[in-house]
Amino acid sequence: AAGVIQSPRHLIKEKRETATLKCYPIPRHDTVYWYQQGPGQDPQFLISFYEKMQSDKGSIPDRFSAQQFSDYHSELNMSSLELGDSALYFCASSLWDRAGYEQYFGPGTRLTVT
Amino acid sequence: AQSVAQPEDQVNVAEGNPLTVKCTYSVSGNPYLFWYVQYPNRGLQFLLKYITGDNLVKGSYGFEAEFNKSQTSFHLKKPSALVSDSALYFCAVRVAYSGAGSYQLTFGKGTKLSVIP
Repeated sequence: AAGVIQSPRHLIKEKRETATLKCYPIPRHDTVYWYQQGPGQDPQFLISFYEKMQSDKGSIPDRFSAQQFSDYHSELNMSSLELGDSALYFCASSLWDRAGYEQYFGPGTRLTVT
Repeated sequence: AQSVAQPEDQVNVAEGNPLTVKCTYSVSGNPYLFWYVQYPNRGLQFLLKYITGDNLVKGSYGFEAEFNKSQTSFHLKKPSALVSDSALYFCAVRVAYSGAGSYQLTFGKGTKLSVIP
């Protein structure tokens, strides 16, 4: 079965650079969630999209922005990177109107800021 | 607001023994509860969920969990642990579907399970 695809899997950037993370949800899934998992931490919700509209916003820094495109893939744009942005970034997808459906997580993008 | 507590940072169990990983939650309204497992340098894999109905839910790899509304708990259990079960386990909660709003997951801090041969 098709799973959530994230690219790149690994990314190394320097401080103050920008980074773009991509997420391709499971086919027919209309909702995308982004989570950030710092070293030794639990995943923290950043932002979510449903039908290309932002549906909720969590602890996402103002330096970050995201969007969902017409094909439902999503991109997380990160600017002015800081050392503290080093983390595993997960994308998850689900169906909005299927009550109780679990979120399916991608393998994550490991971002290292040096 | 919703929150999850996993009181044990680490659980050690001998192979073949039963295991329990504890989770308590707080949510406004009816909860949907989930367990995910994370192997080193890997993503989160879904194990099982409680939505409604039977309080005992069965999931992947022989795991099960019991929903206890009065104790607001959702402990993960397995009758006989395997070395390959060693991983990081996350309990997560979200508000029940209401047709509006977002359904972000709130995770516990995770419990590292070590199964000793």
